[in-house]
Amino acid sequence: DAGITQSPRYKITETGRQVTLMCHQTWSHSYMFWYRQDLGHGLRLIYYSAAADITDKGEVPDGYVVSRSKTENFPLTLESATRSQTSVYFCASRNRVGGTGELFFGEGSRLTVL
Amino acid sequence: AQSVTQPDIHITVSEGASLELRCNYSYGATPYLFWYVQSPGQGLQLLLKYFSGDTLVQGIKGFEAEFKRSQSSFNLRKPSVHWSDAAEYFCAVATSKSGYALNFGKGTSLLVTP
Repeated sequence: DAGITQSPRYKITETGRQVTLMCHQTWSHSYMFWYRQDLGHGLRLIYYSAAADITDKGEVPDGYVVSRSKTENFPLTLESATRSQTSVYFCASRNRVGGTGELFFGEGSRLTVL
Repeated sequence: AQSVTQPDIHITVSEGASLELRCNYSYGATPYLFWYVQSPGQGLQLLLKYFSGDTLVQGIKGFEAEFKRSQSSFNLRKPSVHWSDAAEYFCAVATSKSGYALNFGKGTSLLVTP
């Protein structure tokens, strides 16, 4: 089924470990985004990508790394996880340039850092 | 920077009653505005969006929203709420930077009572 999928859906890790959250979309959308959702903060943009090999920081990029070697994949890596990175992470994509296109969201990855 | 404020963190309505969720935006020009809904454990689904033209916008699931430039508002309404409408609702505005990522409000949690 076409769409945007995230994996894993649930992950528990320990402080200092590296974690990678995967995001895959089948629409060939140019733009992809990573958000984190925390109680009281809503959704905050971590990184975004305008196309393969083009990425840039969002509002809260510290502690995260992204890459986009293929249009359909946009992995998010926590190089050394901290407890403050416990959150629900959402990947999204958009098919239009400009602000009129809606974002399509994955179902989220719930990460717990012990 | 473009931003939105959702003044109500929680709202409780009785099933069958009308609903209005408030959203105020901060932006000089005509904003691109969105309402999303998030059911527990799920991703975000677009309810409706406004770019220009008719200020009353119809969406899915019987929702509508009205853009009022004079009040910098984009309130979401539904004439008769169903128990299945219980969810988290997010208002968002497209930013002119970050690839036109969406800036989200902190959300309003809707509880529907019998």
